[in-house]
Amino acid sequence: DGGITQSPKYLFRKEGQNVTLSCEQNLNHDAMYWYRQDPGQGLRLIYYSQIVNDFQKGDIAEGYSVSREKKESFPLTVTSAQKNPTAFYLCASSPGGLNTEAFFGQGTRLTVV
Amino acid sequence: AQSVAQPEDQVNVAEGNPLTVKCTYSVSGNPYLFWYVQYPNRGLQFLLKYITGDNLVKGSYGFEAEFNKSQTSFHLKKPSALVSDSALYFCAVRDQANQAGTALIFGKGTTLSVSS
Repeated sequence: DGGITQSPKYLFRKEGQNVTLSCEQNLNHDAMYWYRQDPGQGLRLIYYSQIVNDFQKGDIAEGYSVSREKKESFPLTVTSAQKNPTAFYLCASSPGGLNTEAFFGQGTRLTVV
Repeated sequence: AQSVAQPEDQVNVAEGNPLTVKCTYSVSGNPYLFWYVQYPNRGLQFLLKYITGDNLVKGSYGFEAEFNKSQTSFHLKKPSALVSDSALYFCAVRDQANQAGTALIFGKGTTLSVSS
């Protein structure tokens, strides 16, 4: 099946720890994105990557880092600098044209314990 | 800066009645507009998009949306609501002068509740 796979589905982080969320796609899409979803705030853009080995900060990049070493993979690291990391994280990809829709993974729910 | 507004946090309709979920946008160039639906603890599913051409766009599950350039709106509609349509709906936009590459900019979402 083609699609976007996010893992794990649930993740628990202790205070001061870094954690990495996985996002893999087999759609051969050039562009990939990370969004954060909080109740009542919609989806906010964390990072995006238009092409391999290139990525850009979105609106709320502080406390997060990414890499794009392979076309199919765009992992997100939530660092200890992110003071309020508890949220639902969504990864998406698109072919890269402005008129193309984005396809979303099923999300990772991160909770700080 | 581009933005999307969904003025209603929640819309309530009775099954069989028509539904409308509102969306207005602000972009510097020509807009590309999208609607997505989200069920609890799941990712977003694409419903439909407006790129150019006819102002009335038809999409998945009987949904349609009307683009109105003068009112900068892109309202989602369905002639007859189903209980299974109950979900969270997001409007999103890109414009040709996008400052965020091809990333979609989303509204805050509208919860649709359809009662039987």
